[in-house]
Amino acid sequence: SQKIEQNSEALNIQEGKTATLTCNYTNYSPAYLQWYRQDPGRGPVFLLLIRENEKEKRKERLKVTFDTTLKQSLFHITASQPADSATYLCALEDNAGNMLTFGGGTRLMVKP
Amino acid sequence: NAGVTQTPKFRILKIGQSMTLQCTQDMNHNYMYWYRQDPGMGLKLIYYSVGAGITDKGEVPNGYNVSRSTTEDFPLRLELAAPSQTSVYFCASSKQMTGLGGNTIYFGEGSWLTVV
Repeated sequence: SQKIEQNSEALNIQEGKTATLTCNYTNYSPAYLQWYRQDPGRGPVFLLLIRENEKEKRKERLKVTFDTTLKQSLFHITASQPADSATYLCALEDNAGNMLTFGGGTRLMVKP
Repeated sequence: NAGVTQTPKFRILKIGQSMTLQCTQDMNHNYMYWYRQDPGMGLKLIYYSVGAGITDKGEVPNGYNVSRSTTEDFPLRLELAAPSQTSVYFCASSKQMTGLGGNTIYFGEGSWLTVV
């Protein structure tokens, strides 16, 4: 069956360090992969989208990689700040035109 | 710029009661969605709509109903509430259908529902 996996354990890092979050998938042929940020008590907010033929995408301090061989996307936040603390969700669109499917999210805690 | 607006924010229901979660968007999006989110789980699609008068089931539609009489509004009705429907519900909209090419979704702030 199709599965999207994100580390359910919170990631704790020190301010200024690079945070790296992982999204693994099985039994998908994703055409697009998206990352969303969700703050406590709020709805998810879109951050970045990467296409299957793109290896890397950047936006300010954010970087996303997409390895279709490893079936994995990495989401990096450089020079992390306490304000980056949130839950980050990955979501996939496959080549079959199915609806966007979300992973369970990873909570990031950046300590000052 | 309101985006997607959901009401109520919080609600406690007794088993067997019914209620409607309201959702409206002001972005003139044709596509609207209802998701539920349980702790540690991904967002699960309940129902979606591709335009006024057209709705379809998502992954977890049982126990819910929707209607889409206008482009702006997409209410979700819970009939005969059960404890398994305790969850956070998110309404969302998009300009184009997801699954057709990298279209992003705009979410509302969520509705916390507890069934006791």
